[in-house]
Amino acid sequence: DAGVTQSPTHLIKTRGQQVTLRCSPKSGHDTVSWYQQALGQGPQFIFQYYEEEERQRGNFPDRFSGHQFPNYSSELNVNALLLGDSALYLCASSPGRGRYSYNEQFFGPGTRLTVL
Amino acid sequence: AQSVTQPDIHITVSEGASLELRCNYSYGATPYLFWYVQSPGQGLQLLLKYFSGDTLVQGIKGFEAEFKRSQSSFNLRKPSVHWSDAAEYFCAVGPTSGTYKYIFGTGTRLKVLA
Repeated sequence: DAGVTQSPTHLIKTRGQQVTLRCSPKSGHDTVSWYQQALGQGPQFIFQYYEEEERQRGNFPDRFSGHQFPNYSSELNVNALLLGDSALYLCASSPGRGRYSYNEQFFGPGTRLTVL
Repeated sequence: AQSVTQPDIHITVSEGASLELRCNYSYGATPYLFWYVQSPGQGLQLLLKYFSGDTLVQGIKGFEAEFKRSQSSFNLRKPSVHWSDAAEYFCAVGPTSGTYKYIFGTGTRLKVLA
């Protein structure tokens, strides 16, 4: 049973460019959350997708957007990249049953984004 | 607002010594608490979690944590550290009423001396 997978592993972009990161959830999971982990920091919640809709959003600008597909996989898009967007982007999946997901979130290995 | 504080940025222990990593949270009710470990270049792996019940929680790799409501703490412990435990450890508060997000502390980096 494959866990959470993310692609690409590493990515280098320049300021102003756009980037798309991809995530496939663990089998049986229908909820995907995205986190940004800057160097030396803990992960910060970007948003969560459930039933193909953004269910909650953290304190991130509109340059950060996402999408969830019918197969539950998800994309994170970041427009107009800034140097400060350089970070490890983590995807986490969980079962979404119930109004509040109290279940463990399973994390992928992350995508390391470097903005030059 | 919910918050998680890990007071120790770095901790160094000798192999075989005991370990305690501190975590304090701020929340009005009983939170859902987690400890994750992150090795370099890796994602987060769950060590243990507390939802309710017994306040002493056993996890993987010989780790345990104790929930103390009076101190708003959820400290992680291991009686004898192995060199392979060197990593970064994150405490997190899980989703509660009205929110779906996890809130993480800033992490504690553990170094193990041979």
